[in-house]
Amino acid sequence: KQEVTQIPAALSVPEGENLVLNCSFTDSAIYNLQWFRQDPGKGLTSLLLIQSSQREQTSGRLNASLDKSSGRSTLYIAASQPGDSATYLCAVSNTGNQFYFGTGTSLTVIP
Amino acid sequence: DAGITQSPRHKVTETGTPVTLRCHQTENHRYMYWYRQDPGHGLRLIHYSYGVKDTDKGEVSDGYSVSRSKTEDFLLTLESATSSQTSVYFCAISGRGSDTEAFFGQGTRLTVV
Repeated sequence: KQEVTQIPAALSVPEGENLVLNCSFTDSAIYNLQWFRQDPGKGLTSLLLIQSSQREQTSGRLNASLDKSSGRSTLYIAASQPGDSATYLCAVSNTGNQFYFGTGTSLTVIP
Repeated sequence: DAGITQSPRHKVTETGTPVTLRCHQTENHRYMYWYRQDPGHGLRLIHYSYGVKDTDKGEVSDGYSVSRSKTEDFLLTLESATSSQTSVYFCAISGRGSDTEAFFGQGTRLTVV
């Protein structure tokens, strides 16, 4: 069974700082990896999807990288803003469906 | 919200009663999923569907059943609710054509008293 770990569990940074969130997984034979954002009491919002053949994906201030061989992905957030405060979740799929989730990193950006 | 509607959004029910949660999509995605989210456990897959009348179990399926009679609807039933099933339930969809990106509903908060 795929195990997904996200470290740290919580992170607090001042506004404007660049930051990196980490995701590791135990089975490197993945189909894709997806990063989500979750605001309190809300559903999950898809941020970036990386296919197994890709090394990175970018959307605005977000950049996600994937290193299958080491079982790692990082989400880089540039010039953080208070509106970025949320929980960030990493999900891995071995088959293109059935996603396995980490427990998330709770990010607080201090104005 | 990628065209996903969950109903109800909140429900309080008594132990031992049956409960059905509904997920409706307007995006014609092939796969539909039910997850539960609990503190310390993250999101765990309950059941998923890969087509009309085609379903399979996830890692925490005991005490739950599902049905998918139409592409757009996926129902989750708790046959006899227990307090351990108090949770936030999320529906997700994926697989429109070759696109494997997953999208989630807003969640249903279920409390079993």
